[in-house]
Amino acid sequence: ELKVEQNPLFLSMQEGKNYTIYCNYSTTSDRLYWYRQDPGKSLESLFVLLSNGAVKQEGRLMASLDTKARLSTLHITAAVHDLSATYFCAVDIGGSGGGADGLTFGKGTHLIIQP
Amino acid sequence: DAGVTQSPTHLIKTRGQQVTLRCSPISGHKSVSWYQQVLGQGPQFIFQYYEKEERGRGNFPDRFSARQFPNYSSELNVNALLLGDSALYLCASSYSGANVLTFGAGSRLTVL
Repeated sequence: ELKVEQNPLFLSMQEGKNYTIYCNYSTTSDRLYWYRQDPGKSLESLFVLLSNGAVKQEGRLMASLDTKARLSTLHITAAVHDLSATYFCAVDIGGSGGGADGLTFGKGTHLIIQP
Repeated sequence: DAGVTQSPTHLIKTRGQQVTLRCSPISGHKSVSWYQQVLGQGPQFIFQYYEKEERGRGNFPDRFSARQFPNYSSELNVNALLLGDSALYLCASSYSGANVLTFGAGSRLTVL
């Protein structure tokens, strides 16, 4: 059974600081997704990582994937309040973008960025 | 372009009742997936449909069923509701099931 573990599960940080969220998974996969969820809202796709060594950046967020270590990271640079949200990583072991096996999500990292 | 639309947005049922949730995918998307998100947890995969056929099923009891219509919209049915079925039910669509999923806003079900 695929296990996806995120840490930390809760993070409170100050604006301007840097931090990294970690996502470990237990089964070989080369497709990993990061989603953002605001309170009471749906999931917004942030990054799709499709191969070992993949790195994607959007604004203050950067995601990377190491398939050999079964590890993905989401790095936040110079955090701002607007980035406060819950961040989920999700792994696709079917190689079909969430097909027959669906996506397996971590429990999420609840991020609060304080002024 | 309209995104993934779900209805109803909120509903309250009592134990033992049945519920039907509806989903319209993005125009041109042929695959619909359903996920259950319990408060404080990540979404859990329930079903995936592509071209009106079930392509995948998660670890949910037979009380959960779904179908996809010729226009690619989908319904999720849950029978004999339990308190533990209280959750946000998310529908996601993609072109073929092999693409990034786009999620709808969800249907929040409360079972009393």
